[in-house]
Amino acid sequence: ELKVEQNPLFLSMQEGKNYTIYCNYSTTSDRLYWYRQDPGKSLESLFVLLSNGAVKQEGRLMASLDTKARLSTLHITAAVHDLSATYFCAVDMGGSQGNLIFGKGTKLSVKP
Amino acid sequence: EPEVTQTPSHQVTQMGQEVILRCVPISNHLYFYWYRQILGQKVEFLVSFYNNEISEKSEIFDDQFSVERPDGSNFTLKIRSTKLEDSAMYFCASSEARFGGEKLFFGSGTQLSVL
Repeated sequence: ELKVEQNPLFLSMQEGKNYTIYCNYSTTSDRLYWYRQDPGKSLESLFVLLSNGAVKQEGRLMASLDTKARLSTLHITAAVHDLSATYFCAVDMGGSQGNLIFGKGTKLSVKP
Repeated sequence: EPEVTQTPSHQVTQMGQEVILRCVPISNHLYFYWYRQILGQKVEFLVSFYNNEISEKSEIFDDQFSVERPDGSNFTLKIRSTKLEDSAMYFCASSEARFGGEKLFFGSGTQLSVL
């Protein structure tokens, strides 16, 4: 059974600081996704990582994937309040048709 | 920007009643999905759908659930006899290409409350 674990589950940051969210998964997969969810809202796709060593950046967020370590990271640089949200990573089993296994999410709160 | 639309945004029903959740995927998308999120918990896959057939379903998607594309625009999720544990936010999603590293576009969700 594929398990996805995120840590931390809660993260309170000061504006301007850097931090990293970790996503570990239990079985081989080379497809990993990061989503953002604002309170009461839907899921917004942030990054799709499809190979070992993949790195993608958008603004203050950078995601990477190490398939050998079964680890993805979401790095936040110089956090701003607008980044406050819950961030989910998700992994799919090769050949699946949408069967994403989500982590529990990391609730990020960026304080002035 | 095109978006996935879901109606209603909130649905309250009595246990044992049937509910239909509606979704209008992005118009040129061919692959459709339903996920749910119980309050405070992680998002769970229910079913994927392509070419008028279920592509894949999870263990959650039992005989009480069904999906349909009744016309060229709508995609529905029916729960025949709702249970208390069906209370959740239900998200519809669509993608332009076959799942496999493709970005999914999610709707804003239907909050289902079963009393």
